[in-house]
Amino acid sequence: DTGVSQNPRHKITKRGQNVTFRCDPISEHNRLYWYRQTLGQGPEFLTYFQNEAQLEKSRLLSDRFSAERPKGSFSTLEIQRTEQGDSAMYLCASSATAQTYEQYFGPGTRLTVT
Amino acid sequence: QKEVEQDPGPLSVPEGAIVSLNCTYSNSAFQYFMWYRQYSRKGPELLMYTYSSGNKEDGRFTAQVDKSSKYISLFIRDSQPSDSATYLCATLNRDDKIIFGKGTRLHILP
Repeated sequence: DTGVSQNPRHKITKRGQNVTFRCDPISEHNRLYWYRQTLGQGPEFLTYFQNEAQLEKSRLLSDRFSAERPKGSFSTLEIQRTEQGDSAMYLCASSATAQTYEQYFGPGTRLTVT
Repeated sequence: QKEVEQDPGPLSVPEGAIVSLNCTYSNSAFQYFMWYRQYSRKGPELLMYTYSSGNKEDGRFTAQVDKSSKYISLFIRDSQPSDSATYLCATLNRDDKIIFGKGTRLHILP
């Protein structure tokens, strides 16, 4: 399977715990995006990487959130001190730089904070 | 005004009918328009993208952009129960970010 993969698919955690999600993009794509999607809404942009450089962060991304893409391949998204409001689907997408309109999404990680 | 507006539905149509899904957008400078299909508890799947105005056809799906009215449409011919999903319209803003509508839930009734 050469699509975008995400792990874990589901995560249940208690408020205050830290969680980390992983995304493996399509191998030839040098742009990687993180989105958050809540029930009844479309995905909302969080941050994106061009290779290993994090180029932009949304104001939705509080200081409890951090993302990395250390070697320009896979990426991790960490949430520290989780809150119930963090419960959502976290989606990763990738694209080629010249075709940012053509983003391909992974299956998402569904986070439930209890 | 939100950048992309989409009626959340749900929209229920009988199998075999033609489905029409619509969105409006706010900024006339937007040039790329996309449609994604999302099944329950899955990630969005890119169906089609169009550039500027006009139509684009792919099998049973036709995407249409009317820049004069800032209106984008997706038509599904010969609808099947497997087409039941949430359909998200989206556009690429001037910062190269994809802006999504809320999605329209579609049910095709067998």
